[in-house]
Amino acid sequence: SQQGEEDPQALSIQEGENATMNCSYKTSINNLQWYRQNSGRGLVHLILIRSNEREKHSGRLRVTLDTSKKSSSLLITASRAADTASYFCATGFFNGQNFVFGPGTRLSVLP
Amino acid sequence: DAGITQSPRHKVTETGTPVTLRCHQTENHRYMYWYRQDPGHGLRLIHYSYGVKDTDKGEVSDGYSVSRSKTEDFLLTLESATSSQTSVYFCAISESLGGVNSPLHFGNGTRLTVT
Repeated sequence: SQQGEEDPQALSIQEGENATMNCSYKTSINNLQWYRQNSGRGLVHLILIRSNEREKHSGRLRVTLDTSKKSSSLLITASRAADTASYFCATGFFNGQNFVFGPGTRLSVLP
Repeated sequence: DAGITQSPRHKVTETGTPVTLRCHQTENHRYMYWYRQDPGHGLRLIHYSYGVKDTDKGEVSDGYSVSRSKTEDFLLTLESATSSQTSVYFCAISESLGGVNSPLHFGNGTRLTVT
């Protein structure tokens, strides 16, 4: 079974609203990363949060990590139509083994 | 965008034929990866490389082989393509394994259809 699972699978909001996506995982991690994928393109790294961090910000993005609940959330504030994309979480491990990606959340921001 | 070029961008091939996908990077990163992306599965790792001629299997390596003769090039070969290998293939690079200290940078993908 997959290590990371995003929730919801799909999200539709109006421009200007906030979008929240969640990621749950099963085993201990070293870090967790969020990626964005626009249609027909590769994934683009958004933000990395380490296991000893609880919150990180980058522009309109806010990521939280709760290792006790094995979950993370990505908040996009004041969303724009250009934020329409799929968002993936990926978990990294202490032994350096490779990332495991979740199936993603498809975000649609309506103008 | 990181300097990663995948070729071809699209390919249609018949069942049973060999197919080679190419990934070329200009970043001089040590680690290179091949992923496949299918609906509902996210990205799954096929093979990765940790140096020239150093490769290892990922989660879904059956039916695939890879080679890395130069730092900048990582080839993925489907020895005998099957319909189950119809997918979008992404190459990625990183400075550290598993992105422990650095993220993955992705190419724009190759859409492969096996008929």
